[in-house]
Amino acid sequence: GNSVTQMEGPVTLSEEAFLTINCTYTATGYPSLFWYVQYPGEGLQLLLKATKADDKGSNKGFEATYRKETTSFHLEKGSVQVSDSAVYFCALSGVSNFGNEKLTFGTGTRLTIIP
Amino acid sequence: DGGITQSPKYLFRKEGQNVTLSCEQNLNHDAMYWYRQDPGQGLRLIYYSQIVNDFQKGDIAEGYSVSREKKESFPLTVTSAQKNPTAFYLCASSRGQYTGELFFGEGSRLTVL
Repeated sequence: GNSVTQMEGPVTLSEEAFLTINCTYTATGYPSLFWYVQYPGEGLQLLLKATKADDKGSNKGFEATYRKETTSFHLEKGSVQVSDSAVYFCALSGVSNFGNEKLTFGTGTRLTIIP
Repeated sequence: DGGITQSPKYLFRKEGQNVTLSCEQNLNHDAMYWYRQDPGQGLRLIYYSQIVNDFQKGDIAEGYSVSREKKESFPLTVTSAQKNPTAFYLCASSRGQYTGELFFGEGSRLTVL
């Protein structure tokens, strides 16, 4: 079945540092890949997505490239801010046992940015 | 503003009691979902519904029940049969053509005393 493996946290960085959160996946076919973010006390929000190999998703200074050869979708940001402190989830879309599309989430990576 | 409203935000329950978590959306989305979030385990799908009066079990449906009588509403009942109900529950919705873009509510935290 489909699975997503994320870099274990927590991750603590200083403001303006470079961020990488690793994500690799196992899937059949050609899934779409996503990063969701969860700020403290809130639900998840879609951060970015990529629907085919070599696509780059980007939003709010974050980027991730769909690498089919390495089955990866690593999240990067060049200069993090305190407001980026949150939990980040990698996810992929695939087909459920009922033939419907469903999302499979990674376990999440907690990021804390120190001023 | 369009969105998903979950209530209550916090709920305490005694063992052996059923509780119902509310989820309402005004996004006119066809599909709705319930996820459970536990520390270190990410999100796991409990139930989902693609259209009114139809729903399917997800990966961890045992001990839970749902209904979808209206497009806007997808309540989740945590029954006494659920062995470890203490968790954070998230409701989500998406357009009928599932693109992976889910819109989430703010969640309900259930604690069993």
